[in-house]
Amino acid sequence: NFMLTQPHSVSESPGKTVTISCTRSSGSIASNYVQWYQQRPGSAPTTVIYEDNQRPSGVPDRFSGSIDSSSNSASLTISGLKTEDEADYYCQSYDSTPWVFGGGTKLTVL
Amino acid sequence: EVQLVESGGGLVQPGGSLRLSCAASGFTFSSYEMNWVRQAPGKGLEWVSYISSSGSTIYYADSVKGRFTISRDNAKNSLYLQMNSLRAEDTAVYYCVPGGYSSWFDPWGQGTLVTVSS
Repeated sequence: NFMLTQPHSVSESPGKTVTISCTRSSGSIASNYVQWYQQRPGSAPTTVIYEDNQRPSGVPDRFSGSIDSSSNSASLTISGLKTEDEADYYCQSYDSTPWVFGGGTKLTVL
Repeated sequence: EVQLVESGGGLVQPGGSLRLSCAASGFTFSSYEMNWVRQAPGKGLEWVSYISSSGSTIYYADSVKGRFTISRDNAKNSLYLQMNSLRAEDTAVYYCVPGGYSSWFDPWGQGTLVTVSS
C-alpha cells in the first residue's frame, strides 16, 4: 500500500492563490487518477476535482488540479480565494488494492 | 436527485455489534460500485470497504478485515455494513459513497455516527 501526504494546513488571504500538494509515497502518481474533496465544517465531503484535473459541474473554474511526475505529487490550486473556500481538502487515489485518502489540509482564508 | 441516507449508528459497547444501512435513490443503484468511508472525530477520511455493483468483488481496509462485512441488496437499493467486535477506534461517522474503479467517490450522504464506548 502507498500513502498520500498533504500539508496539515495552509493559509492565504482573500483574492490570492493557494496550492495544496499531495505526494504519493510509492508507485507513480500518474498511474491512477487523483481526486480532491472539499469538506466544510459540519458537512459531508464534496468533489472539487476528479480524474486529476476535471471539475464537476457547479465547481468554479477557480479550482484546478494537476499532477507532476517529477515530484510524484498532485496539486490542487485555488485562485481568487474566497472566504467560502475555507475548508478541509483531501486528495484520494488508488492502486491494485483500494482507495487511499491523504490526511487532509485545512485551508484558512484570512 | 441522488440521495444516500445512512442509518443504524449509535452507542455500542466495546466488543459489540452494529449494522449500518444506506438507502439509495435517484440513480440506478445496481449499476454502481459502493463504499463505506469513515471519519473519526476531528480526523481525516478513511476508506473502509468496497463492493462491486454485482456484489461479487469485495475489499476491506486492514483495520476492519475479519470484523466488518459489506453487503448490498440491489432489489432494495440498499447497502449494508455489519460491524462486529467493535473497538473504541471504530468510533466515527460512517458514509456510504458510490464510486470505485469506474468513477470517483460522489456524492456523499450525511453519514451516521457510531460511538464505541463503555
